[in-house]
Amino acid sequence: ILNVEQSPQSLHVQEGDSTNFTCSFPSSNFYALHWYRWETAKSPEALFVMTLNGDEKKKGRISATLNTKEGYSYLYIKGSQPEDSATYLCAFRSGNTGKLIFGQGTTLQVKP
Amino acid sequence: SQTIHQWPATLVQPVGSPLSLECTVEGTSNPNLYWYRQAAGRGLQLLFYSVGIGQISSEVPQNLSASRPQDRQFILSSKKLLLSDSGFYLCAWARDRALNYGYTFGSGTRLTVV
Repeated sequence: ILNVEQSPQSLHVQEGDSTNFTCSFPSSNFYALHWYRWETAKSPEALFVMTLNGDEKKKGRISATLNTKEGYSYLYIKGSQPEDSATYLCAFRSGNTGKLIFGQGTTLQVKP
Repeated sequence: SQTIHQWPATLVQPVGSPLSLECTVEGTSNPNLYWYRQAAGRGLQLLFYSVGIGQISSEVPQNLSASRPQDRQFILSSKKLLLSDSGFYLCAWARDRALNYGYTFGSGTRLTVV
């Protein structure tokens, strides 16, 4: 059974704080690592799809790094804003299949 | 443009009753389609995926089944619901088979079995 672990489970920060979360995944048979943002009452939306060891992706104040050899990815949010409040999911793709295995998510709450 | 529709948004069903959740995709052809469920306190779990009409792969043994009667239609069913079937069900499709853009999810169905 492939396990994808995310930490912390939840996080409360003040507006303006920078924060980061961790996603751990199996280091064997790696194909891709996805990050999604899931806001309340909405559908999860894809943030990043990362495939290469050492990959760094950025979208506005959000960025992600990938280490496939040790099996982890970090998601960073710089200068958190209340609209960043959401659950952030990572998902591991093993081999050339279309299936994603999701972690349980990190729920971020940003207080104004 | 491509869109994904999922309905109903919420459903309360008694134990032992049947279930049918529908998902349709517009603006694309031959998409990969997926059903996921989030049970209380748990992450998204892949239930079924389909790469084409009539082609269904089941990921976990369970009380549910899936069908793909048309290219852009994916249906999740049960003949007799159990309490443990309660959860949030999400349909998703992939714009390309390489998943370069990730999944696009539907709006979800909150199922409560009572």
